[in-house]
Amino acid sequence: EPEVTQTPSHQVTQMGQEVILRCVPISNHLYFYWYRQILGQKVEFLVSFYNNEISEKSEIFDDQFSVERPDGSNFTLKIRSTKLEDSAMYFCASSRLAGVPGELFFGEGSRLTVL
Amino acid sequence: GQQVMQIPQYQHVQEGEDFTTYCNSSTTLSNIQWYKQRPGGHPVFLIQLVKSGEVKKQKRLTFQFGEAKKNSSLHITATQTTDVGTYFCAGQNNAGNMLTFGGGTRLMVKP
Repeated sequence: EPEVTQTPSHQVTQMGQEVILRCVPISNHLYFYWYRQILGQKVEFLVSFYNNEISEKSEIFDDQFSVERPDGSNFTLKIRSTKLEDSAMYFCASSRLAGVPGELFFGEGSRLTVL
Repeated sequence: GQQVMQIPQYQHVQEGEDFTTYCNSSTTLSNIQWYKQRPGGHPVFLIQLVKSGEVKKQKRLTFQFGEAKKNSSLHITATQTTDVGTYFCAGQNNAGNMLTFGGGTRLMVKP
């Protein structure tokens, strides 16, 4: 069964460092998303991406964050200068449909720890 | 902005008991989805409800979407230890394709 894959599974970084989290969405999907989940808390929307551009973003997704689809398969989330409060599990997701999104397929997540 | 709230936050049940989690949105939704997240895992899609008053069943799970399309519920009949996890509702309004997740209900089942 096709799946969303994410790397790394865990990254530890110093405050102020740049981090890039990588995702390979399911190949025939059109919409890509990043969500984050602080330990034990809710899943929070960061950004959605369609047709090579951001379609929606939340208040969390400030200037420190950026997304890119550098080639036909990878979808990356960059945090320019990490803060302690960026420590969370970051989930990439993809869906096939536009408009009504239908099922989101989540990757297993990248745990980011900022020291 | 849109807010989605879930109650209860936690629920302990004895195996075989029923379980219900409730989801309420501050705005009318175009559709609602339910996800299950096992401890240490990632959210896994369960179902999507689109129509006002819709009821869908998956084996022991029953999902409802309210008439006003602002609330939803998930009911599990005769829980099993495999039902353990956090159940999230996630709503989409007509403004875009962003899914807003509720806070989740963590279900613990005692064998």
